Amino acid sequence: EDKVVQSPLSLVVHEGDTVTLNCSYEVTNFRSLLWYKQEKKAPTFLFMLTSSGIEKKSGRLSSILDKKELFSILNITATQTGDSAVYLCAVEFWSGTASKLTFGTGTRLQVTL
Amino acid sequence: DTEVTQTPKHLVMGMTNKKSLKCEQHMGHRAMYWYKQKAKKPPELMFVYSYEKLSINESVPSRFSPECPNSSLLNLHLHALQPEDSALYLCASSPQVIATGELFFGEGSRLTVL
Repeated sequence: EDKVVQSPLSLVVHEGDTVTLNCSYEVTNFRSLLWYKQEKKAPTFLFMLTSSGIEKKSGRLSSILDKKELFSILNITATQTGDSAVYLCAVEFWSGTASKLTFGTGTRLQVTL
Repeated sequence: DTEVTQTPKHLVMGMTNKKSLKCEQHMGHRAMYWYKQKAKKPPELMFVYSYEKLSINESVPSRFSPECPNSSLLNLHLHALQPEDSALYLCASSPQVIATGELFFGEGSRLTVL
């Protein structure tokens, strides 16, 4: 069965801290891994990763994929209260008839002053 | 226009009602999706449409009936729902269904079944 597992499930940090969120997966016909941020409503896209070892960066956020060990990490440096959200990892794979996206359980991040 | 628009934002219905959720995108995307999200859980895939044809049904009960009248619109018809069907229903689209990459999500329709 295809599965995506995130850790930790929740995390509380102080503003300015650096956090690392983990995502491991077991799927057949892997295509890509995506990170989303979800505050109150729709998930918003952060990164898409398809190749191992190539870091993607956007401001204080960065992410990397390891296709051999089947995991990805999302780093957030100098955290701010606005980073408080649920961070979802999703893996895209080919089901035989269509490409599907399966989400992990998410990591709930709370950044305090 | 990079938006996926969902209506209504909130819906309360009884178990005998018939209602519909609507989703619209004008990005020229050819793949559209319905996801269901319960509180504090990740989104779960329900249906995938590719070029207006249903390509994936994740064993969703028949009381949920999707419809894709054209490439810009996606509906979810609801009938005889149960209280456990209360959830946030998210619509999403992507340029193609093969190697979808990023999904563009709407803000969701929050459904309460009494």
